[in-house]
Amino acid sequence: GEDVEQSLFLSVREGDSSVINCTYTDSSSTYLYWYKQEPGAGLQLLTYIFSNMDMKQDQRLTVLLNKKDKHLSLRIADTQTGDSAIYFCAESVNTDKLIFGTGTRLQVFP
Amino acid sequence: EADIYQTPRYLVIGTGKKITLECSQTMGHDKMYWYQQDPGMELHLIHYSYGVNSTEKGDLSSESTVSRIRTEHFPLTLESARPSHTSQYLCASIRGNTIYFGEGSWLTVV
Repeated sequence: GEDVEQSLFLSVREGDSSVINCTYTDSSSTYLYWYKQEPGAGLQLLTYIFSNMDMKQDQRLTVLLNKKDKHLSLRIADTQTGDSAIYFCAESVNTDKLIFGTGTRLQVFP
Repeated sequence: EADIYQTPRYLVIGTGKKITLECSQTMGHDKMYWYQQDPGMELHLIHYSYGVNSTEKGDLSSESTVSRIRTEHFPLTLESARPSHTSQYLCASIRGNTIYFGEGSWLTVV
């Protein structure tokens, strides 16, 4: 079945780069997403990548996709305290539904 | 920006009460979803719909029920709430390749 895995925690210093990793199992995934969730809030779509792409950059965010290894990463350049949140990786299976990872809690300290 | 609304945002109710969580979207999207998320945990798909009169159970078993009488509305109902139903419930609809989420309904059953 479908499964998406992430590491649970990541701590970085303000100004450094953060890299959040995700692995998925379903090779038929069409789109892969990164969502951000701040405490007590809903989900905010950060970015997504189509499965036939290797990389997508959007301002401070860079998404890398290794389809062969089914590995997705989100790099946040110049991480700020406002980036502290839980980041969810998700895969779209046949565009019918999203399967979410466990979420990675990013903590940014000064 | 997607327009998808959930009410109530926060609710505390007693055990045994019936509760309906409302979800509405104004974009005419056919596919809608309900996810359940315990605090700080991953999202689990509990219900989805492909259009009017279409409802399906998701990956996580839930005692809630849903209906889809109109395209715009996808309410979720708990006939008899229990403390184990305490969670955040997130509604979503899809446009193209992207799923957009409502702000969530935080339900606490005491």
